[in-house]
Amino acid sequence: DTGVSQNPRHKITKRGQNVTFRCDPISEHNRLYWYRQTLGQGPEFLTYFQNEAQLEKSRLLSDRFSAERPKGSFSTLEIQRTEQGDSAMYLCASSLDGGARSGNTIYFGEGSWLTVV
Amino acid sequence: AQSVTQLGSHVSVSEGALVLLRCNYSSSVPPYLFWYVQYPNQGLQLLLKYTSAATLVKGINGFEAEFKKSETSFHLTKPSAHMSDAAEYFCAVTPTNKLIFGTGTLLAVQP
Repeated sequence: DTGVSQNPRHKITKRGQNVTFRCDPISEHNRLYWYRQTLGQGPEFLTYFQNEAQLEKSRLLSDRFSAERPKGSFSTLEIQRTEQGDSAMYLCASSLDGGARSGNTIYFGEGSWLTVV
Repeated sequence: AQSVTQLGSHVSVSEGALVLLRCNYSSSVPPYLFWYVQYPNQGLQLLLKYTSAATLVKGINGFEAEFKKSETSFHLTKPSAHMSDAAEYFCAVTPTNKLIFGTGTLLAVQP
């Protein structure tokens, strides 16, 4: 399978704990995106990388959230001091350079579900 | 700012009936528009996209959408629903580097 891979698929954590999600994009894709999706809502943009550079961050990405893509390949999304409001599915996506407006398709992974109890 | 509005959070059709899912957009620049489908507990899969070429766009699984600038719409249709079409459908617009999604329409297909 050469699609976007995310793990873990499911994570249950206690409030106040830190969690980290990993995303492996499609190998030749140099753009990588993170989205958050809550029940009954569409995905909301969090941040995106061009290779290892983080080029845009949403206001949704509070100080407790940090995303990295150290070698321009896989990416991690860490949430510190989790809150119940962080419960959501975190989606990773990737595309070739230029993103959607250049006509390139953005491919999504299956997501990582986070439940904060 | 760019945005999309999906009318109807839930749509129910009978198997074999026409599927019509509505999407209206707001954009200050010529829009690029997309429809994605999400099956339960899965990520999003691209159905089709409009990138300023033909206004009638054909996608996978028999779906198509028509870009109507005068109506600022990009409705998704399929002539005959199949049980396997039951899923959530998202319309999206892209201003620059990211997709902006609507709130989604959950399609139920009744036997």
